[in-house]
Amino acid sequence: DAGVIQSPRHEVTEMGQEVTLRCKPISGHNSLFWYRQTMMRGLELLIYFNNNVPIDDSGMPEDRFSAKMPNASFSTLKIQPSEPRDSAVYFCASSPTSTGELFFGEGSRLTVL
Amino acid sequence: AQSVAQPEDQVNVAEGNPLTVKCTYSVSGNPYLFWYVQYPNRGLQFLLKYITGDNLVKGSYGFEAEFNKSQTSFHLKKPSALVSDSALYFCAVRDLYGNNRLAFGKGNQVVVIP
Repeated sequence: DAGVIQSPRHEVTEMGQEVTLRCKPISGHNSLFWYRQTMMRGLELLIYFNNNVPIDDSGMPEDRFSAKMPNASFSTLKIQPSEPRDSAVYFCASSPTSTGELFFGEGSRLTVL
Repeated sequence: AQSVAQPEDQVNVAEGNPLTVKCTYSVSGNPYLFWYVQYPNRGLQFLLKYITGDNLVKGSYGFEAEFNKSQTSFHLKKPSALVSDSALYFCAVRDLYGNNRLAFGKGNQVVVIP
């Protein structure tokens, strides 16, 4: 099994630019989660999907952030426009059930200048 | 809402000594409890979980954790620490009968000294 695959692994962009982060969950997993990790705030849940449907997006910081899951094998997290305070490592995770353990990708490190 | 407390920022232990990483939780219903480990520049890796049953749970890499309902704790333990155990450890709790969100603690940096 290839595990959860995220791309890009590193992204450096300028303030105001659009950023799109991508995630391919483990095949057969029906729950997908987006987390953000920073030194100051630790690990924060942004949004999670169950069977491709967004269940809880209360962690999405503001309207600049949006997430989609068009099918069971792909999800995107978009930031438009990006700001320096969005700099963080963004993790995608999937789970075989809505109550089971999470399997994390390697993360996408975003730097907004 | 569910929450997790990991009271120590860093745990230092000599190689070969027992390792304990503390975690206490708060939920409104029955907890699902998890431990994860994160190595530098990597994603979190699942170590073990408690759902129900035996209070002592065994997991990967020789780690175990004990669920204590009266103390609302789920401490992670390893009898003999290795230098390679140096990493960031996260405790997490899900409230099955609440909003089902998985809440992570802030993490504990473990440093195993050779």
